[in-house]
Amino acid sequence: DAGVIQSPRHEVTEMGQEVTLRCKPISGHDYLFWYRQTMMRGLELLIYFNNNVPIDDSGMPEDRFSAKMPNASFSTLKIQPSEPRDSAVYFCASSLGRDGYTFGSGTRLTVV
Amino acid sequence: GNSVTQMEGPVTLSEEAFLTINCTYTATGYPSLFWYVQYPGEGLQLLLKATKADDKGSNKGFEATYRKETTSFHLEKGSVQVSDSAVYFCALRYRQGAQKLVFGQGTRLTINP
Repeated sequence: DAGVIQSPRHEVTEMGQEVTLRCKPISGHDYLFWYRQTMMRGLELLIYFNNNVPIDDSGMPEDRFSAKMPNASFSTLKIQPSEPRDSAVYFCASSLGRDGYTFGSGTRLTVV
Repeated sequence: GNSVTQMEGPVTLSEEAFLTINCTYTATGYPSLFWYVQYPGEGLQLLLKATKADDKGSNKGFEATYRKETTSFHLEKGSVQVSDSAVYFCALRYRQGAQKLVFGQGTRLTINP
């Protein structure tokens, strides 16, 4: 298996623009997680899905953030409009049941 | 609430030194405990885990023992290598069946040759 695939690896955008981050989980995994990592706040769980259904989005910072999982093999995290304080590394992870997570390599987002 | 506190970094050691990275937790019930490692430019990888008190997780020469009496899960390695340089995260899953992992702030480890 190729692992959890995230795209793009790097994204630089201007403030106010829409940003879409993509994730392909490991085939057969039933949980998908979106995390944000910054120096100041460490790793923060934004939202997670079980069988494509959002279970807990309490970590989504604002209405500017939205996440979807239209099928078992694809998820997106969208920020609209983006702001400089959204600059971070965004990780997607997937798991099967209660096994440990498998993380993707992350998307480094810079909003200027 | 449920939380994880890790030893502040950065930690710098010489090759072949003994490593300890402290981790303590606060949780209701009986959490499962994990150590993850993040190499530069990569995502986190599961290093080891323990699901109940007195369990010892081990992998790649690293060990950690789940100590309920001290609410700790310290990471140890007897002889570190330059390739062990990374950021290490302690985490807990706060109850059986829960999916959310709560991570510590991470400890950056640098090993000098």
